Amino acid sequence: DAGVIQSPRHEVTEMGQEVTLRCKPISGHNSLFWYRQTMMRGLELLIYFNNNVPIDDSGMPEDRFSAKMPNASFSTLKIQPSEPRDSAVYFCASSFGQFEKLFFGSGTQLSVL
Amino acid sequence: SQQGEEDPQALSIQEGENATMNCSYKTSINNLQWYRQNSGRGLVHLILIRSNEREKHSGRLRVTLDTSKKSSSLLITASRAADTASYFCATALFDSWGKLQFGAGTQVVVTP
Repeated sequence: DAGVIQSPRHEVTEMGQEVTLRCKPISGHNSLFWYRQTMMRGLELLIYFNNNVPIDDSGMPEDRFSAKMPNASFSTLKIQPSEPRDSAVYFCASSFGQFEKLFFGSGTQLSVL
Repeated sequence: SQQGEEDPQALSIQEGENATMNCSYKTSINNLQWYRQNSGRGLVHLILIRSNEREKHSGRLRVTLDTSKKSSSLLITASRAADTASYFCATALFDSWGKLQFGAGTQVVVTP
């Protein structure tokens, strides 16, 4: 298995631009999580899905952030418009079942100038 | 807000020594997990301990859980330079579907 695949690996954009991060979970996993990691705030859970349905999006910072999971093998996290304070590493993780261990992707390093 | 809080924030040891880090949490959990993150990489799961377990081993790793004190510890025995990484505890909250919240992590440096 290729593991959780995230793209792009790095993204540099200018303030105000739309950013879309992509994630392919491990085949057969039914839960998907989006985390953001910064030095100041550590790892923050943004949103998680179970069977493609958003369960808890209380961690999404503001309306500029949105996430979708149209099918079991793909999810996106979109920021529109982006701001410099959105600069962080964004991780996608998947798991099988409730309360089980997570498998993380390599992350997307986002820099908003 | 972070559920788990690790202690210490940083740890520097020499190869062969043991490394111990602690995690405290606030609310009831289903399980507690430990992860490792090497610089610039994603997190890797190390071990999961359920709320009805007190101790678990995996290779050179030993994890304990004390639910009465709401705390856990991770012990790495006979450390190696390759153990240099950040270590995070994560709590699976009982009153959530499967929400896993991470602490701030302990940065461990193992020098040869």
